[in-house]
Amino acid sequence: RKEVEQDPGPFNVPEGATVAFNCTYSNSASQSFFWYRQDCRKEPKLLMSVYSSGNEDGRFTAQLNRASQYISLLIRDSKLSDSATYLCVVKGTGGFKTIFGAGTRLFVKA
Amino acid sequence: NAGVMQNPRHLVRRRGQEARLRCSPMKGHSHVYWYRQLPEEGLKFMVYLQKENIIDESGMPKERFSAEFPKEGPSILRIQQVVRGDSAAYFCASFLGAGPQGTTEAFFGQGTRLTVV
Repeated sequence: RKEVEQDPGPFNVPEGATVAFNCTYSNSASQSFFWYRQDCRKEPKLLMSVYSSGNEDGRFTAQLNRASQYISLLIRDSKLSDSATYLCVVKGTGGFKTIFGAGTRLFVKA
Repeated sequence: NAGVMQNPRHLVRRRGQEARLRCSPMKGHSHVYWYRQLPEEGLKFMVYLQKENIIDESGMPKERFSAEFPKEGPSILRIQQVVRGDSAAYFCASFLGAGPQGTTEAFFGQGTRLTVV
């Protein structure tokens, strides 16, 4: 089993749609969780951290389920500019390496 | 405060040559990761370094690849005797430190695109 697994893509959605990505992780000792966004041929950039209580940033909502070891990202009212690859990131403590999921591609079409 | 700086941005090497990729972390950051990204694929962990220490190199091929992060100067990823399969984007990320919760954000450089011809 991969350490971090994401929904296979690509997701093709119309503008205004709601889309959800899931990500599972295998190490129950993982402590920190993030969603990063990567545009084509660019470096990944932090989209949002994921907290146990769930958190929202505008149209984006992230949730963590420790019991089932998965995190999710919900994007409401999709915009053309949301087209990118979304990377699930899991990090431990005490020197545990940061692991990136393979990413899920999102294409938002007019 | 400059971000993570990687150079060169693009590197072309012939098969059998050596490639040296440099990463200068953000000021004050003492932890560096290197990742490789093949075309149309996700980021693959290679190595995690602190100043003068390799913490985890489990993602790095045993042969031809090495990494260092000296006390002074940038982190270097070195690939000896490059082959066509080494062609990829190599990203470096730095962060402040593991911290008690390990929650600090990783900042990425713009990557080095290595092409082996």
